[in-house]
Amino acid sequence: KAGVTQTPRYLIKTRGQQVTLSCSPISGHRSVSWYQQTPGQGLQFLFEYFSETQRNKGNFPGRFSGRQFSNSRSEMNVSTLELGDSALYLCASSLGGQASYNEQFFGPGTRLTVL
Amino acid sequence: AQSVTQPDIHITVSEGASLELRCNYSYGATPYLFWYVQSPGQGLQLLLKYFSGDTLVQGIKGFEAEFKRSQSSFNLRKPSVHWSDAAEYFCAVGVREYGNKLVFGAGTILRVKS
Repeated sequence: KAGVTQTPRYLIKTRGQQVTLSCSPISGHRSVSWYQQTPGQGLQFLFEYFSETQRNKGNFPGRFSGRQFSNSRSEMNVSTLELGDSALYLCASSLGGQASYNEQFFGPGTRLTVL
Repeated sequence: AQSVTQPDIHITVSEGASLELRCNYSYGATPYLFWYVQSPGQGLQLLLKYFSGDTLVQGIKGFEAEFKRSQSSFNLRKPSVHWSDAAEYFCAVGVREYGNKLVFGAGTILRVKS
C-alpha cells in the first residue's frame, strides 16, 4: 500500500506571496492532518480534515487554511507569507473514525523557505 | 491543556550501549502515547504506540517503551544502540477532541559515538 505523499517536496517563495501544498493520504484513509515543524516551535498541529470538513484546528492565524476533496486528498494554503512561515510542513493520514484514537501516518513533508 | 516534556535535548551514547529517552506527559484523560523517529529532512516514522493493556510495549528496530501512569511517563529504551539509530526522537500524546491530533514533545537528538 502506498504511503502518504506530499507535493512539492521543496518550495521557495518570497514574503507576501501565497503557497499551496498538497497531500495524498493512504488509500482508505479519510482523515488528513497538517503539522508545522520549526526549530523554534517544534511540531505544532495546524488542522485536521475528515470527510471534506475541518474537524479540528490548532492555534494558527487565518492565513493558514486548508481543504479536503472527495477523494480525501488535502491541500493547505498559506497566504501573505511571512519569514516565520519557513518550516517543514508535514501531512498525516489516518482512518479517522471516532470510535477510538486513530494512528497517524506521516508523509515526507514539504520544506517551505520564505525569502 | 495537554503537554509533553522531553527533558533531554541532546543525548550521546556509544555504539552498543543502552539507551533511555525520557518522556513525561500531562493529559487529563486516557493517554494514547507514541514515539516517533525523524531522520534529517525526513518525515516521522512511528516506532511504537501505547493505547491500553500491557504497559511495556515493543516497537520496531528493537525499541521498547514502558507506560507508568503514576509517573505520567512513557520512556523509550533500547538495550544496544546502533550507529543507524542516530536521529531525532519525538514523544507524543494523542488527543481526542472533535477528532484526532498529536501533541508533541520538543524532541531529543540522539548522537551515537563509534
